[in-house]
Amino acid sequence: DQQVKQNSPSLSVQEGRISILNCDYTNSMFDYFLWYKKYPAEGPTFLISISSIKDKNEDGRFTVFLNKSAKHLSLHIVPSQPGDSAVYFCAAVRSGTSYGKLTFGQGTILTVHP
Amino acid sequence: NAGVTQTPKFQVLKTGQSMTLQCAQDMNHNSMYWYRQDPGMGLRLIYYSASEGTTDKGEVPNGYNVSRLNKREFSLRLESAAPSQTSVYFCASSQRPRLVNTEAFFGQGTRLTVV
Repeated sequence: DQQVKQNSPSLSVQEGRISILNCDYTNSMFDYFLWYKKYPAEGPTFLISISSIKDKNEDGRFTVFLNKSAKHLSLHIVPSQPGDSAVYFCAAVRSGTSYGKLTFGQGTILTVHP
Repeated sequence: NAGVTQTPKFQVLKTGQSMTLQCAQDMNHNSMYWYRQDPGMGLRLIYYSASEGTTDKGEVPNGYNVSRLNKREFSLRLESAAPSQTSVYFCASSQRPRLVNTEAFFGQGTRLTVV
């Protein structure tokens, strides 16, 4: 039972354009969501997060949108840069549990072409 | 500032062998975790330790044991390795387990192959 799903295994965009990575979840108890970026041979690194009391959170070129009714979140990267090429994981957690006890999606490989 | 350090980085085991993956964090975090990453599966939680002296099973605990040696260290043991345990293992830690806006920090991973 995959509670967090990233249905696009890969995404390819041109440098300077927008990258949109999508994530769906099924467990309505999740109320905090995170995006991690992972380069080859490295551990995941935290990118941005959003609480369920918000519908948008921005940090520089990165914006996460949350649609609770659709149980859907997305990560927008504008403008995309070649250094953004990595695997992106969305993750979800339920309040009251340990915040490292995350449920992850399968990941989306983003490739940004110069 | 090392963060989360895992050893070894690579390991090849024969089926039935045992080994311990080591993890240490220097951020004074309360909680520590072991995840495994498999192709198409994302990261799945094996075991976690919400605080020193406690451990709990995650999503895929079978075939593993853990020890929270002290606040800094959290080890993962494979008693009798199986090919299905071939994976990349990540240790993580987080600071405040029950407060918002806290993310987990990950080590660089251990790539384990069981032949």
